Amino acid sequence: EIVLTQSPGTLSLSPGERATLSCRASQNVNSAYLAWYQQKPGQAPRLLIYGASRRATGIPDKFSGSGSGTDFTLTINRLEPEDFAMYYCQQFGSTPRFTFGPGTKVDVK
Amino acid sequence: EVQLVESGGDLVRPGGSLRLSCAASGFTVSSKYMSWVRQAPGKGLEWVSIIYTGGSLYYADSVEARFTISRDNSKNTLYLQMNSLRPEDTAVYYCAGGDTDYYFDSWGQGTLVTVSS
Repeated sequence: EIVLTQSPGTLSLSPGERATLSCRASQNVNSAYLAWYQQKPGQAPRLLIYGASRRATGIPDKFSGSGSGTDFTLTINRLEPEDFAMYYCQQFGSTPRFTFGPGTKVDVK
Repeated sequence: EVQLVESGGDLVRPGGSLRLSCAASGFTVSSKYMSWVRQAPGKGLEWVSIIYTGGSLYYADSVEARFTISRDNSKNTLYLQMNSLRPEDTAVYYCAGGDTDYYFDSWGQGTLVTVSS
């Protein structure tokens, strides 16, 4: 089973700053199978990035994904109030089919 | 517009059963890879089960042999039959769909299942 680790657990930043979130896998992950989600309190998750670097429909270009192998990064430029949320990475594998990282909370400094 | 609406969440005693429903609109459930994903209170996301467009079924080890995913194409609805429920099954259950089986691009608003005596 591939385990995803996200760091930091909490990222405290000010509006306008850049957020850099890390997702590390315990084994190599096919980049096509790595996704990122945003979740706000009381809401369902929303797909941001799939295939490690492809933005989902309607996602602004301030969100970007990168990485390969075991190390993946989500970058959020020019943080706005609506960007302060929880972010999860997710990978598709064999068993179990899907695993999520524990999440990174981006909150206001 | 793609929309997923879950229902059926409730308070149930340990060992009990519950069936969740997810009504889809804007697309047909048989055309997407449909999953259930759950989130325990204050915790992260955990994938539960998936039904492929071709009908193949997969489950997380934690629910294997207790939960059954299915769909009714005539009602355009996804289901999750949950038996032998345990307190650790307490969570918000989301249905989620994807055009591929790699990720989830559509999510419902979730339905709360509480397992407690």
